[in-house]
Amino acid sequence: NAGVTQTPKFQVLKTGQSMTLQCAQDMNHEYMSWYRQDPGMGLRLIHYSVGAGITDQGEVPNGYNVSRSTTEDFPLRLLSAAPSQTSVYFCASSYGRGGLSGELFFGEGSRLTVL
Amino acid sequence: AQSVTQLDSHVSVSEGTPVLLRCNYSSSYSPSLFWYVQHPNKGLQLLLKYTSAATLVKGINGFEAEFKKSETSFHLTKPSAHMSDAAEYFCVVSDGYQKVTFGTGTKLQVIP
Repeated sequence: NAGVTQTPKFQVLKTGQSMTLQCAQDMNHEYMSWYRQDPGMGLRLIHYSVGAGITDQGEVPNGYNVSRSTTEDFPLRLLSAAPSQTSVYFCASSYGRGGLSGELFFGEGSRLTVL
Repeated sequence: AQSVTQLDSHVSVSEGTPVLLRCNYSSSYSPSLFWYVQHPNKGLQLLLKYTSAATLVKGINGFEAEFKKSETSFHLTKPSAHMSDAAEYFCVVSDGYQKVTFGTGTKLQVIP
């Protein structure tokens, strides 16, 4: 059982480039989410999804897009990378169609540097 | 609206001495509260959770936390620190539906 898998683990981009961070889970969780972690700021929610075809914005959505075509996958797209998007990104999932109903299961993170 | 405040950004203890990591919360609902641990270059792992059952919650690796509604606190404790406890700890509040709020984290240093 792989849990939550994120790829890539490391990425360096130039300002203005686009890329997609991949997230897949094999626990049949309805709820999936993306966070960014910056020093001294904890984790901040970017986007979340409560099921296939349903997404919503979190606390810091600007500059990011998401889609949820399947239960398993929840990719995060950076449209035009900026240095302010240098961060560690975490994907997390949880059971429950109605949203978060318990423990969040995290991937190991994707470290992104934008030059 | 909900929020969570971790009162110490860094805590340093000697191995074998007690650990206390402090967390205060604010919530308009009956919240669910969690503590997560993050070891260097790793994802977050659940230590324990409170979901309106017993107010004293026991977690993994000897950690426990007590929910005190009157003080709006959910402090994390461990009787005796181990070197492997050195990590960053996050207090988290959830409305049980969609909104999850993380604290800014407390880095625990364990001195041999």
